[in-house]
Amino acid sequence: NAGVMQNPRHLVRRRGQEARLRCSPMKGHSHVYWYRQLPEEGLKFMVYLQKENIIDESGMPKERFSAEFPKEGPSILRIQQVVRGDSAAYFCASSQGTGALNQPQHFGDGTRLSIL
Amino acid sequence: GQQVMQIPQYQHVQEGEDFTTYCNSSTTLSNIQWYKQRPGGHPVFLIQLVKSGEVKKQKRLTFQFGEAKKNSSLHITATQTTDVGTYFCAEEYGNKLVFGAGTILRVKS
Repeated sequence: NAGVMQNPRHLVRRRGQEARLRCSPMKGHSHVYWYRQLPEEGLKFMVYLQKENIIDESGMPKERFSAEFPKEGPSILRIQQVVRGDSAAYFCASSQGTGALNQPQHFGDGTRLSIL
Repeated sequence: GQQVMQIPQYQHVQEGEDFTTYCNSSTTLSNIQWYKQRPGGHPVFLIQLVKSGEVKKQKRLTFQFGEAKKNSSLHITATQTTDVGTYFCAEEYGNKLVFGAGTILRVKS
């Protein structure tokens, strides 16, 4: 399967713990996006990264959230000191580029994060 | 910031009936994309519209982009149970997609 791979599919954390969500983009894609989805709501943009660079983090909360896309390995979305309000589905998407026609974003299966 | 409003929020139809969801913006949209998300699944890209007044068809699905590029619609003819899910419109705005809230479609057989 050459699609966007996210893991884990489900993650349970207690308040105060750290959550790490991983995303490997589609083969040939160098642009990665993270979105958050609350139940029965649309997806909200969080951050856009290229290899070793954060391009747009306008949707990221100012505290506790960080993202990276290292030269080697998957993109990581990290949430420190999780709170109940962090419970959501986190989707990663990848594309070959941005703002160009016929280059849609392809989404992974998401990570469902539950905070106890 | 950019915002796309989507209506209705929910739609329950009898199998075989038609279904339409609408997406509106107060500002001119550069383009509009449509996604389908099955329950428990992830968004799947359906189509992108770019030109004013553009109409595209995929089997029973018809997508339209308004003349003023401020609204768009997705129409499904003769719904089937496989059509259930949430349909989202989204604008590609700079580096990101700005999603509407989605329309949840339920089909009764």
